[in-house]
Amino acid sequence: LAKTTQPISMDSYEGQEVNITCSHNNIATNDYITWYQQFPSQGPRFIIQGYKTKVTNEVASLFIPADRKSSTLSLPRVSLSDTAVYYCLVGLMEYGNKLVFGAGTILRVKS
Amino acid sequence: DGGITQSPKYLFRKEGQNVTLSCEQNLNHDAMYWYRQDPGQGLRLIYYSQIVNDFQKGDIAEGYSVSREKKESFPLTVTSAQKNPTAFYLCASSIGGEETQYFGPGTRLLVL
Repeated sequence: LAKTTQPISMDSYEGQEVNITCSHNNIATNDYITWYQQFPSQGPRFIIQGYKTKVTNEVASLFIPADRKSSTLSLPRVSLSDTAVYYCLVGLMEYGNKLVFGAGTILRVKS
Repeated sequence: DGGITQSPKYLFRKEGQNVTLSCEQNLNHDAMYWYRQDPGQGLRLIYYSQIVNDFQKGDIAEGYSVSREKKESFPLTVTSAQKNPTAFYLCASSIGGEETQYFGPGTRLLVL
């Protein structure tokens, strides 16, 4: 059963905007979409959460289309310290609406 | 200072030995979770508990056991039946079962 799909890795340069998309075709009707950041040998850190449309906080924006089958994490003006793995977390109907982590996207920011 | 603590940071297991990883939270969260992370891989759910004295198996529960006798504590035992226990173990908690999860710093388990 397909879970969620994220690009395995992405490269960027300092100061650029980075967009990471997670596909979740069978997202549970009432569940939020959450994104986390993880550095090596640390626990994941909450970045942003949304249900639909657009959410923005001090570190990122989250874009969710009307059908909610995908979500895009947007990191404005990345720096070297944004090099990390980024995960989406959603509830999936085929798993009884259980929350399921994506496989993660390795973001490498270069100077 | 509120948060989730995990101990120890590193743990070594001998062949045939059971070891227990500690997870404590003072956030007054009802739900707690254990995940396993292998090098270069995502997080896989081992067990979760939505309320005291109740817990459910996740995707990879075989070879593991848990208890939830207190709201703030959710220890994970890696039994001798788990043949490949070397991994990074992460504990998380949330207000309810579908709320944002907050993670501890992790425990790295190594086999001697």
